[in-house]
Amino acid sequence: AQSVTQLGSHVSVSEGALVLLRCNYSSSVPPYLFWYVQYPNQGLQLLLKYTTGATLVKGINGFEAEFKKSETSFHLTKPSAHMSDAAEYFCAVSEESSASKIIFGSGTRLSIRP
Amino acid sequence: GAVVSQHPSWVICKSGTSVKIECRSLDFQATTMFWYRQFPKQSLMLMATSNEGSKATYEQGVEKDKFLINHASLTLSTLTVTSAHPEDSSFYICSASRGDRSYEQYFGPGTRLTVT
Repeated sequence: AQSVTQLGSHVSVSEGALVLLRCNYSSSVPPYLFWYVQYPNQGLQLLLKYTTGATLVKGINGFEAEFKKSETSFHLTKPSAHMSDAAEYFCAVSEESSASKIIFGSGTRLSIRP
Repeated sequence: GAVVSQHPSWVICKSGTSVKIECRSLDFQATTMFWYRQFPKQSLMLMATSNEGSKATYEQGVEKDKFLINHASLTLSTLTVTSAHPEDSSFYICSASRGDRSYEQYFGPGTRLTVT
């Protein structure tokens, strides 16, 4: 069975600082991995995804994530935080055999200090 | 491309009544649609998966007679909350998948349901 663990329900960084949101997954087969962002009272927007190929994935808004199979991790990073990055971030995993079913992590709220 | 809409964006209804939420894929055909429920400050909980023209597959613990899902066309799925109660108040989000190998889901903006 697939599962996703996001370490840290709340992360606070200063504007301009590095953003690191942690995600570890569990999957019995090669996973598809996603990061989504949610702004208050809105749906989810895809930041980036890993399916196959290059393990360093670049997404929108300057975010990127690296798939590390040996560590079963897919941490999200951004070199320099912007105030507009404040939101809820969800890591998610899917398996080919599950016909697109996605399992979400518990989410990490990112706050940006001026 | 890949825009999903939901209607209404918010709804208030009285306890005991039913409310229908629509989910539409505006610019693509969605072979599969998903319905999620999200409580405040929590993650998304998958309620059910629906494929066009067939019965929805409900997750464990989700009452199929209470949350009726219809996926009548490749661009429309509806969720009807029957005999709503205050505990059904929540944020309901739908998503749609093209069914291609990208396994990407496109999410609607959500519907805030408040049952009084």
